[in-house]
Amino acid sequence: GQSLEQPSEVTAVEGAIVQINCTYQTSGFYGLSWYQQHDGGAPTFLSYNALDGLEETGRFSSFLSRSDSYGYLLLQELQMKDSASYFCAFLPLVFGKGTRLSVIA
Amino acid sequence: EAQVTQNPRYLITVTGKKLTVTCSQNMNHEYMSWYRQDPGLGLRQIYYSMNVEVTDKGDVPEGYKVSRKEKRNFPLILESPSPNQTSLYFCASSSLGEGEKLFFGSGTQLSVL
Repeated sequence: GQSLEQPSEVTAVEGAIVQINCTYQTSGFYGLSWYQQHDGGAPTFLSYNALDGLEETGRFSSFLSRSDSYGYLLLQELQMKDSASYFCAFLPLVFGKGTRLSVIA
Repeated sequence: EAQVTQNPRYLITVTGKKLTVTCSQNMNHEYMSWYRQDPGLGLRQIYYSMNVEVTDKGDVPEGYKVSRKEKRNFPLILESPSPNQTSLYFCASSSLGEGEKLFFGSGTQLSVL
């Protein structure tokens, strides 16, 4: 089967850098996606890695290592508005349970 | 504006009373899907559709029905709702060429009493 594991909660300070890890198990791999969801809102697409390496989109970057079945989302220059839940996913079927990021002053 | 529109935003109903949650997208996407989100369980796929008249079960299809008669619409039907279907529901769509980039509706909070 397919599964993704990510930490349930992470807390970080405004202005800092935080890394949210995602380890996975799958028989067939088509890429790892990341989504952000604010409380009361819908998930929104952040990033996608089909191949190993780093993808950068502004303050957000996502990394993938297929040999290690591992990826991460890196958020730089944290802002209070980054407080949200972050999901890694094998789309379209399987989402991780999400990591709740709290940014504190 | 490109969007996925879900209605209603909130719905309270009683056990056994049939209901439909509508979903419509204006991006000409081939792929559409329904998810439910429950605390501690994340997002789980209910049903999906790769194109008109093509639907298939996701991870948790029991108690739900869908139809895809038109490309833009993908309603979710609960023929006999039960309390364990109380959840937050999301509709999503994507193009087949960019399946990793799902566009989500704003969600429907359903309570079955």
